[in-house]
Amino acid sequence: KNEVEQSPQNLTAQEGEFITINCSYSVGISALHWLQQHPGGGIVSLFMLSSGKKKHGRLIATINIQEKHSSLHITASHPRDSAVYICAVSQETSGSRLTFGEGTQLTVNP
Amino acid sequence: DAGVTQSPTHLIKTRGQQVTLRCSPKSGHDTVSWYQQALGQGPQFIFQYYEEEERQRGNFPDRFSGHQFPNYSSELNVNALLLGDSALYLCASSLLTGEQETQYFGPGTRLLVL
Repeated sequence: KNEVEQSPQNLTAQEGEFITINCSYSVGISALHWLQQHPGGGIVSLFMLSSGKKKHGRLIATINIQEKHSSLHITASHPRDSAVYICAVSQETSGSRLTFGEGTQLTVNP
Repeated sequence: DAGVTQSPTHLIKTRGQQVTLRCSPKSGHDTVSWYQQALGQGPQFIFQYYEEEERQRGNFPDRFSGHQFPNYSSELNVNALLLGDSALYLCASSLLTGEQETQYFGPGTRLLVL
């Protein structure tokens, strides 16, 4: 079993829909990261959080430390949101080294 | 302010050859991490360099080695290439502090081993 699990693996939505991507982890963490990867390969950090909730524009990330679970929400989705969304954790014993989930491929159709 | 840069962007090698990939961290960052991302999978940690020394290492064989220079730039070397080494190699930089820091990723080097 992977230390970081994401669901769903693939997600197709219509423009304007509310989207949720889930992440569960099985290790002690110091922080959880949500990242976005476009087809070219480059990765952009969206959020880093260790508790509660963060919001940036149409993106919202939440984390429940007790349940070892995080969600990434996208409100009013748009075709330009199409990308791979990856959850990663910094483990308590591993400093800034990241352990990644497998990613969720999101496609938003117009 | 340049972000993280990597070179080359693409590379084709044959089995048994050696390859060197390069990374320049974001200005002000002192820590460089390397990751390997196979097609359709999440990145896997290779190693991390700080103050010119390997600080942490993932489950990769000794064929994977690295170096960090005084200006904090870094190289990843892979010897005796195998077909399975074909992947996107990502470099990430950060500033080593007592707190968690956002990591900044480069665009990656796509390596194909034939």
